Amino acid sequence: GAVVSQHPSWVICKSGTSVKIECRSLDFQATTMFWYRQFPKQSLMLMATSNEGSKATYEQGVEKDKFLINHASLTLSTLTVTSAHPEDSSFYICSARIVDWENTEAFFGQGTRLTVV
Amino acid sequence: SQQGEEDPQALSIQEGENATMNCSYKTSINNLQWYRQNSGRGLVHLILIRSNEREKHSGRLRVTLDTSKKSSSLLITASRAADTASYFCATDPPQGAQKLVFGQGTRLTINP
Repeated sequence: GAVVSQHPSWVICKSGTSVKIECRSLDFQATTMFWYRQFPKQSLMLMATSNEGSKATYEQGVEKDKFLINHASLTLSTLTVTSAHPEDSSFYICSARIVDWENTEAFFGQGTRLTVV
Repeated sequence: SQQGEEDPQALSIQEGENATMNCSYKTSINNLQWYRQNSGRGLVHLILIRSNEREKHSGRLRVTLDTSKKSSSLLITASRAADTASYFCATDPPQGAQKLVFGQGTRLTINP
């Protein structure tokens, strides 16, 4: 099946710094990628939809200036957590779908554990 | 936003037994998918059932879908310790949306 690679798998940063997370589709072109956030023992909350070559679409309540998304190519989307604070500590997961097909599965990255200290 | 509820939230059974998890959703769907997540990892797709299908099988997995009740179930037969994970259902909103909405998940523990 298709592969989505997410990097880094974990990161620890100081409060106030920014962190960039990369999501790559390795063997297919993804015009759309999705970024999720997951708290311990909870489900995935969709943060935003990343569209290649255009602005991301953010879900209600997600600060677009806080979580910057760039989808510059058909194989790479990045999520930058700006001025991170401890409450931003979470597990972030990206996914991609082959949007030319209907009813297709989503392929997920392995996730990034962000800890802000 | 979360689409629906999964039940039970946690399930612990003995190896070899069958595990059944349920998922309910609120809005119209194009399809419903089940995913598995090992602790601290990404999600792995298990099975997809379309809105016009009622039952689907894949190996030890059996999924049912009742659109009139807006519910689905995932049955894992002859469970193994390696099946220990969290299981999520996800719905695809009507055609064109392409963003999956996840249920709350069921944490399944298989005791050897």
